[in-house]
Amino acid sequence: QVQLQESGPGLVQPSETLSLTCAVSGYSVSSGYYWDWIRQPPGRGLEWIGSVYHSGNTYYNTSLKSRVSISIDTSKNQFFLRLGSVTAADTAVYYCARHGGVRGTDYWGQGTLVTVSS
Amino acid sequence: EIVLTQSPGTLSLSPGQRATLSCRASQSISRSYLAWYQQKPGQAPRLLIYGTSSRATGIPDRFSGSGSGTDFTLTITRLEPEDFVMYYCQHYGSAPPYSFGQGTKLEIK
Repeated sequence: QVQLQESGPGLVQPSETLSLTCAVSGYSVSSGYYWDWIRQPPGRGLEWIGSVYHSGNTYYNTSLKSRVSISIDTSKNQFFLRLGSVTAADTAVYYCARHGGVRGTDYWGQGTLVTVSS
Repeated sequence: EIVLTQSPGTLSLSPGQRATLSCRASQSISRSYLAWYQQKPGQAPRLLIYGTSSRATGIPDRFSGSGSGTDFTLTITRLEPEDFVMYYCQHYGSAPPYSFGQGTKLEIK
């Protein structure tokens, strides 16, 4: 059973950097697939932030590209999100997920709410 | 960038009825790379349909997907009370980027 769990601060100051970790169990991230970060502002829809491949190749949403960095640590079976220069507009539930190729985004973490506020 | 537009924004129906949700792409996309998700309040999205018409593991056959080109449909027959939640379509490819539709809320009439 593949499981993903997000962790990180629930409150971030404006202009600072949001940092989240996704711990994966039940599957080795080095075995393949893309590993995604997706967010959802309160009461709104889903936004793909970016993805990392097991090789370390990364892909980012063009609207966030200048502020986002995603990385992977295969030895710890984790991947990471960093989003810089945050504002209130970055307040959202952040999900990590596995993209199972043609099977779509087949496993999701439970999500973690990050609030940007002073 | 492919933009997905879902309609209607809200669909009001009664239990037992049939729901038809639409997802339109801004350009023609491969049937292999269109998925549907269900999201209940306070929960992560759950994969329902991938590759336009393949049901994910454990999804009842009341849920079905169809379509091609730019127009795709999620059909839910015999609506049950737990079906009245949010639904999103997603386009993906053999590699990122991905995009989501803005969602359809299915509510009890």
